[in-house]
Amino acid sequence: DQQVKQNSPSLSVQEGRISILNCDYTNSMFDYFLWYKKYPAEGPTFLISISSIKDKNEDGRFTVFLNKSAKHLSLHIVPSQPGDSAVYFCAASQETSGSRLTFGEGTQLTVNP
Amino acid sequence: EPEVTQTPSHQVTQMGQEVILRCVPISNHLYFYWYRQILGQKVEFLVSFYNNEISEKSEIFDDQFSVERPDGSNFTLKIRSTKLEDSAMYFCASRPRQGGTEAFFGQGTRLTVV
Repeated sequence: DQQVKQNSPSLSVQEGRISILNCDYTNSMFDYFLWYKKYPAEGPTFLISISSIKDKNEDGRFTVFLNKSAKHLSLHIVPSQPGDSAVYFCAASQETSGSRLTFGEGTQLTVNP
Repeated sequence: EPEVTQTPSHQVTQMGQEVILRCVPISNHLYFYWYRQILGQKVEFLVSFYNNEISEKSEIFDDQFSVERPDGSNFTLKIRSTKLEDSAMYFCASRPRQGGTEAFFGQGTRLTVV
C-alpha cells in the first residue's frame, strides 16, 4: 500500500534552522491530512492537520502546506529545537468514508544543538 | 488532559494462544480504531468501530481478530490464535466525531508472539 509516501527516512538539521518534512500521496479521494510525531515506545501524538479545501495551516512553530495538484504536503518547523527530534508521520484520510488513517513510512528528524 | 490508555504495555504469548488487548478511549469520543505497527514498517489500519459495530476493516483484520466494547468504556481487540507475524505494536485510537478531527492514540501494547 503506497498511497502515502515519505521518501526521506531521515533528516538532520541544526537547532534554530527550518525543518522541512515532505509527504506525497496518490489517492485523490483523500481530503484530510495530518502530521503526527512519535517517540520510541509511545503512541503517535497529533501535531497539525489540514483540510483539502485549504493550502496552508499554521500553529505556532508548525506550518503544513498542501499542494493538491501535485498531491504533496509538507511540514515546516521553524525554528527547530532539539526536543523536536522524533519520527514524524504523515497521514491521510477520506473523511466522508470511515476516516481510517493511511500513514506514510515516517521520517526520523534529528535536531542538533 | 484526557488520554487514551492501553493495557498491558507489553504482552508475551505463545503461538496459538488467544490474547486480548485493552483500551479505554477518551470518554466523549464516538469513533474507535485499532492500528498496528510491525517493527520497521508503517502504522497500518486494522479496524474502526462506531455505534457498537465495525464500520470498516482492513484485509489484515481476518477471522482471527475481533473487537468489542463490552461496557461502554473499554474497547478490546482479541486475537484468537496468535501467529508469529502478529508480533507488533498495537495502537488504539479514538475520535470525537468522524469529520475533520484528529485521532488520539494510546501509548500502545507491544505484543510478542514466541
